[in-house]
Amino acid sequence: NAGVTQTPKFRVLKTGQSMTLLCAQDMNHEYMYWYRQDPGMGLRLIHYSVGEGTTAKGEVPDGYNVSRLKKQNFLLGLESAAPSQTSVYFCASSYHPGALSGKINNEQFFGPGTRLTVL
Amino acid sequence: SQQGEEDPQALSIQEGENATMNCSYKTSINNLQWYRQNSGRGLVHLILIRSNEREKHSGRLRVTLDTSKKSSSLLITASRAADTASYFCATDAAGAGGTSYGKLTFGQGTILTVHP
Repeated sequence: NAGVTQTPKFRVLKTGQSMTLLCAQDMNHEYMYWYRQDPGMGLRLIHYSVGEGTTAKGEVPDGYNVSRLKKQNFLLGLESAAPSQTSVYFCASSYHPGALSGKINNEQFFGPGTRLTVL
Repeated sequence: SQQGEEDPQALSIQEGENATMNCSYKTSINNLQWYRQNSGRGLVHLILIRSNEREKHSGRLRVTLDTSKKSSSLLITASRAADTASYFCATDAAGAGGTSYGKLTFGQGTILTVHP
C-alpha cells in the first residue's frame, strides 16, 4: 500500500495564480484533513472531510477550497494565491473514530507534504 | 489557537541518555497523541493515550497523562541518533456531547537532537 500520497511535492506560484493540491489514500479511510505548517509552528487545520461528498472548515480556511468527490481523494484549491500562503501543506487521513473495536482511535496517517512558495 | 504547548522547544542530549518532553493543553480531551516528524517529512504517529489512561508504553516510549493538570509527557529511553526529529503532541478535544470528527490540535513541537 502506498498510504497517503500528495502531488505535487514542490510548487512555486506568482501572486494571484491558482492551483490544486491532490491528496490520495488507499487505506479506505473515511476522514481526511488538510493542514499547513509554518516555520517553528505546529500544524494548523485548514479543512477536513468526514466522508465522500462532505467538507468542513478547520482553523484557518480562508483563501482555500476543498472537494471530496471520491472517498480516496481530497483536493485543496487556492483560487488566488497570496504570499501568506507560502507554507508546507500536509494531507492526512484516519479511520472513523470508534471504528476499531468500538474505541476511539483517530490516529492520523500523513502524506509527505507539498512545499508551496508564493512570490 | 494552539491547544498544546510543548516544553522544551529544543532539547539536545547524548546518545544513550533519556529524553523527556512535556505537553500542556487547555480543554477536556478524548485522547492525546504524540507524533514524530523527521526533517522535511510528514508526521508519523507514535502513541495514543486515552483520557481514562494514566500511562502507556511502546518500546522505548513511555507516555503519561495527568488530566487534572491537563498535561502529558513523552519519555524516550536510551536515545539514539536516529531519534533526532521534531516531536508533537496533538489533542482530540472532547466536544460538548458531540463528536470531534477526529480533529486534532497540534502543539508547536519539541526539536530533539541526539548526538552520537
